[in-house]
Amino acid sequence: DAGITQSPRHKVTETGTPVTLRCHQTENHRYMYWYRQDPGHGLRLIHYSYGVKDTDKGEVSDGYSVSRSKTEDFLLTLESATSSQTSVYFCAISEPGQGSGVGKLFFGSGTQLSVL
Amino acid sequence: ELKVEQNPLFLSMQEGKNYTIYCNYSTTSDRLYWYRQDPGKSLESLFVLLSNGAVKQEGRLMASLDTKARLSTLHITAAVHDLSATYFCAVMYGNKLVFGAGTILRVKS
Repeated sequence: DAGITQSPRHKVTETGTPVTLRCHQTENHRYMYWYRQDPGHGLRLIHYSYGVKDTDKGEVSDGYSVSRSKTEDFLLTLESATSSQTSVYFCAISEPGQGSGVGKLFFGSGTQLSVL
Repeated sequence: ELKVEQNPLFLSMQEGKNYTIYCNYSTTSDRLYWYRQDPGKSLESLFVLLSNGAVKQEGRLMASLDTKARLSTLHITAAVHDLSATYFCAVMYGNKLVFGAGTILRVKS
């Protein structure tokens, strides 16, 4: 998976508890992303980062925060987990592509999160 | 805001048949990707299409891009069971990749 490690791979938690998911890369790529995957919705972008301490919101960022203090690590935090945040979470990395924008995204193995 | 629509969302086909998956998007973009996902697995990149008229082929899959029509197609030729998976198109929008809902493909023998 292109040097991307997500942890944990599976997590079960209770409503109202904080949860942090970690994405670690060994590729030294500039861009990192957090997506969630739900049936019928494809993958939806939660937050992304274009450098250390540089992050921005995606289309479904409510209830999530992120931090990137090192190039290799991108953390996703659910401050107070809700059942609607039960999902599969994917981390992805990329480098700048040809011309503008980013190149191909490489995805981690995913984290299955269940909020009861 | 960019919208990406795939159709069909579910496709059941017989081995040996041909079919096409369509991906329409709402805003100008010059970069489109196709990914494959097997059940319980991560996403695997299939094709990157960078310009109008781009065509890429790998085995029984062929992808094309028409930026003027804002349309990409993924054509499956003589389907085999191993092609059963979920296929996503994704369109570049600034520094973000926006995904379609995915097409679940089941190839029956």
